[in-house]
Amino acid sequence: DAGVIQSPRHEVTEMGQEVTLRCKPISGHNSLFWYRQTMMRGLELLIYFNNNVPIDDSGMPEDRFSAKMPNASFSTLKIQPSEPRDSAVYFCASANFHTKTLEQYFGPGTRLTVT
Amino acid sequence: GQQLNQSPQSMFIQEGEDVSMNCTSSSIFNTWLWYKQDPGEGPVLLIALYKAGELTSNGRLTAQFGITRKDSFLNISASIPSDVGIYFCAGPFEYGNKLVFGAGTILRVKS
Repeated sequence: DAGVIQSPRHEVTEMGQEVTLRCKPISGHNSLFWYRQTMMRGLELLIYFNNNVPIDDSGMPEDRFSAKMPNASFSTLKIQPSEPRDSAVYFCASANFHTKTLEQYFGPGTRLTVT
Repeated sequence: GQQLNQSPQSMFIQEGEDVSMNCTSSSIFNTWLWYKQDPGEGPVLLIALYKAGELTSNGRLTAQFGITRKDSFLNISASIPSDVGIYFCAGPFEYGNKLVFGAGTILRVKS
C-alpha cells in the first residue's frame, strides 16, 4: 500500500520566492495534517483538514502561509513570500477520521531551505 | 495548554541493553501513540494504546498505558544499532481529532 506521498523531498529557494509543497494522503483517509519540524520548536501542527475542509489553522504562523485541499487526494502548503526563518522540515500526515483512533501516518517530509 | 512531558531527553546506550522511556500528560488521555523517527524520515507509528493498563508489544518494543491514564511507557529490549532515532509519544488534543506530541527522546546506540 502506498503511504503518504510528499513532493518535493528537498527544496532550496531564495528569500522572497514562492514555495509550494505537495501532499497525497493515503487513499481512503479523510483527515490531513500539515506539520513543521525544527530543532528549536520540535513538531508543530500548522493546519488540518477533515473531508477537505480546514478545521483548525491556528498553527499557521502568518498570512504568508496558506494551505488548500481541493480534493480528497491532494493538498498543498504554500509560502509566499518565503523567508529564511521558514527553513524547516514540513510533514504531511493523514488519518481516517471515522475510525476515531487518532492514528496519523506521516509522509517522508520536505526539507525546505530558504537562503 | 495541554503538555506532554517526555523523558529522558536523550539516551546513549550500549548495544544489547534494554531501554525505558516515558511520557506524562497534564490531563487524562484515552489514547496513547508511540512514534519513531529515523534520521531524514517522517515519524512512523510503532504502537497505539487505547485502554488504561493495556500492555502491547511489537517485536522487541513494549508499550504500556498507565492506569492513571496520565502516563505511558515504552520499553525496547536488547537494543540494536537500527533502534537509533527519535521516539515521540502523542495523545489526543483537548478538542478535535488532532494530536499533541512530546518533545521526543533521542536514542543513540553504541555498538
